[in-house]
Amino acid sequence: DTAVSQTPKYLVTQMGNDKSIKCEQNLGHDTMYWYKQDSKKFLKIMFSYNNKELIINETVPNRFSPKSPDKAHLNLHINSLELGDSAVYFCASSLMLNTDTQYFGPGTRLTVL
Amino acid sequence: KQEVTQIPAALSVPEGENLVLNCSFTDSAIYNLQWFRQDPGKGLTSLLLIQSSQREQTSGRLNASLDKSSGRSTLYIAASQPGDSATYLCATMNTGFQKLVFGTGTRLLVSP
Repeated sequence: DTAVSQTPKYLVTQMGNDKSIKCEQNLGHDTMYWYKQDSKKFLKIMFSYNNKELIINETVPNRFSPKSPDKAHLNLHINSLELGDSAVYFCASSLMLNTDTQYFGPGTRLTVL
Repeated sequence: KQEVTQIPAALSVPEGENLVLNCSFTDSAIYNLQWFRQDPGKGLTSLLLIQSSQREQTSGRLNASLDKSSGRSTLYIAASQPGDSATYLCATMNTGFQKLVFGTGTRLLVSP
């Protein structure tokens, strides 16, 4: 009964490829997020969605396109992958925007060769 | 622009010690402040959330305090155990920004 799940856990791919990471939450939350944790372990928000509506796009290149087919899912599609995209990507959710505890998925480690 | 700093970057203590982790932030206009723990290769686990109107929150051996006016929060861990070894992150949710801003983290090692 995992609360926030992500697939795949590891993703190794070549530069220039297109890849997707899926995220699902079974908590009934309205808000979902994508974060990037770089090699120095610094964690930074990329996107947030509230009720399937984009709230935050934190100056992320437009090669990154989140898609929320319903409130329980927020997928991340990345086009034309670059070396600098290598990082751990975390999905998270919260009951509402702003005021609530965020619950994180286990992360997807993306390595671009 | 909010900046969140955590000191020390790393801390090593023997089992049983009480310890304090520090978090400071530059913009005091926050909704809340959260403390998380991250185990190697794993996601983040929320430990405590302090709303802007609160001064502290407690959960078991953990106590987090918040002083908005000075831009500081502390996480107190009582009677530390080897299982407490992890990286601890604080994050603020600022009014008007609708996003968590994370600190740089403190890597804690508790030795038996």
